Amino acid sequence: GAVVSQHPSRVICKSGTSVKIECRSLDFQATTMFWYRQFPKKSLMLMATSNEGSKATYEQGVEKDKFLINHASLTLSTLTVTSAHPEDSSFYICSASTLGSNYGYTFGSGTRLTVV
Amino acid sequence: GESVGLHLPTLSVQEGDNSIINCAYSNSASDYFIWYKQESGKGPQFIIDIRSNMDKRQGQRVTVLLNKTVKHLSLQIAATQPGDSAVYFCAPNAGNMLTFGGGTRLMVKP
Repeated sequence: GAVVSQHPSRVICKSGTSVKIECRSLDFQATTMFWYRQFPKKSLMLMATSNEGSKATYEQGVEKDKFLINHASLTLSTLTVTSAHPEDSSFYICSASTLGSNYGYTFGSGTRLTVV
Repeated sequence: GESVGLHLPTLSVQEGDNSIINCAYSNSASDYFIWYKQESGKGPQFIIDIRSNMDKRQGQRVTVLLNKTVKHLSLQIAATQPGDSAVYFCAPNAGNMLTFGGGTRLMVKP
C-alpha cells in the first residue's frame, strides 16, 4: 500500500532556530500534500495544503512566513518552522493524496517538535 | 464551515465486546468518509472508508455505517482487543479536503 515517510520523528531545538520536517511519498506520486498540527489530546488541525509546483494554501490563522512549505516534487514536501519558539512545540503530521484515485490519504508518522 | 463532532469522547469496553464509535458531521457536500486510528505518538492509520453512495461497508472486524439523512456515521469494532485501544477519528471529505472530528478514545479493559 501507499507509504508516507516523515522525518525526523522527534526534534529538539533552541528558541530562535529553524527546523525542517520532510514528508516523502515512497511508492506513489502525491499531487497534494497536507500539513497538520496536533496538540496533546486534541484533534488534527489543518495548517496548509500544498500542490506540487505551486504555492501552499494556508488555513486562516496560520502564518505563512512562520511555517514555510515547499512541495518541489511529486514525492517530497517540506515544512520549515522558522525562528521557533516554545509555543511552536507540537506534533506535526503530513499526509499525501493523489487526485483521481480513490481519494486515498496516507499519513506520515508525525514529528514531535520541542522548542526549548 | 464544516463541523464534525463525536458523541462520546471516551469509550471503555471489555475485551471481547463490540465497540461502537459515533460521529456526526454537518457538511452535506461530504462525499467520502474515512475512519482513522491513532496510537499515542503516531500518525493516523487508515481503518476503513465509505462513499456517500453506500450506507454500509464491512472490513475485517470493522463495519462502518453511514446515514446521510441525519449526517451520522459509526464505526463498529467486533470482538474488541487490547490492540484496538487508541483514539479514533472520523474524517469526512468534501472537495479533496478532510476534516477531522474531535476524536474518541477507546479503552479496552482486559
